[in-house]
Amino acid sequence: DADVTQTPRNRITKTGKRIMLECSQTKGHDRMYWYRQDPGLGLRLIYYSFDVKDINKGEISDGYSVSRQAQAKFSLSLESAIPNQTALYFCATSESPNLMEPQHFGDGTRLSIL
Amino acid sequence: AQSVTQLDSQVPVFEEAPVELRCNYSSSVSVYLFWYVQYPNQGLQLLLKYLSGSTLVKGINGFEAEFNKSQTSFHLRKPSVHISDTAEYFCAVSDAGANNLFFGTGTRLTVIP
Repeated sequence: DADVTQTPRNRITKTGKRIMLECSQTKGHDRMYWYRQDPGLGLRLIYYSFDVKDINKGEISDGYSVSRQAQAKFSLSLESAIPNQTALYFCATSESPNLMEPQHFGDGTRLSIL
Repeated sequence: AQSVTQLDSQVPVFEEAPVELRCNYSSSVSVYLFWYVQYPNQGLQLLLKYLSGSTLVKGINGFEAEFNKSQTSFHLRKPSVHISDTAEYFCAVSDAGANNLFFGTGTRLTVIP
């Protein structure tokens, strides 16, 4: 089984819909991250969490929200999806106590907003 | 804020030839440096990282990178590539002690048989 599991793997939806992307991990790591990947732009950080009670905005948090339901679960929500949120989304975890580098990634969720 | 430049968006190379993927970053303050690899339809995997100490860092799959502070570079090298090295490679930089990490735009390495 994968260490970091993202669901769904693919999603097509319409503008204005609410969408939730889920991430669960079996690594036992406290730190979890949500990134989006766009062609030619690399990865950009949306939100990150250092533990269940800690949520932090990343570089591009506008239009997104997150929930850390448990150490193992970190969900990303788009309250009202818009076409420019079409992207590949990655969840990641890290065991590093002092660094920001994600170490274990899920396989991604490909999201298309029509 | 940091910026990370990967000048080569695509690098084709023949099998068993050497390869260098270039990465430059903007700030000369103390930094941590990382290389990631992304195979098709997968998430990123950490290849190697530089935190301190020796400027030559060895990673998985025979890759290595050299930190050059004066040139603010962290180029990735492999002396002999395999078909299985075909993937996209991302350089990332973090300011030491800061909660940030900046990714480059990626270099697609294609190994030609």
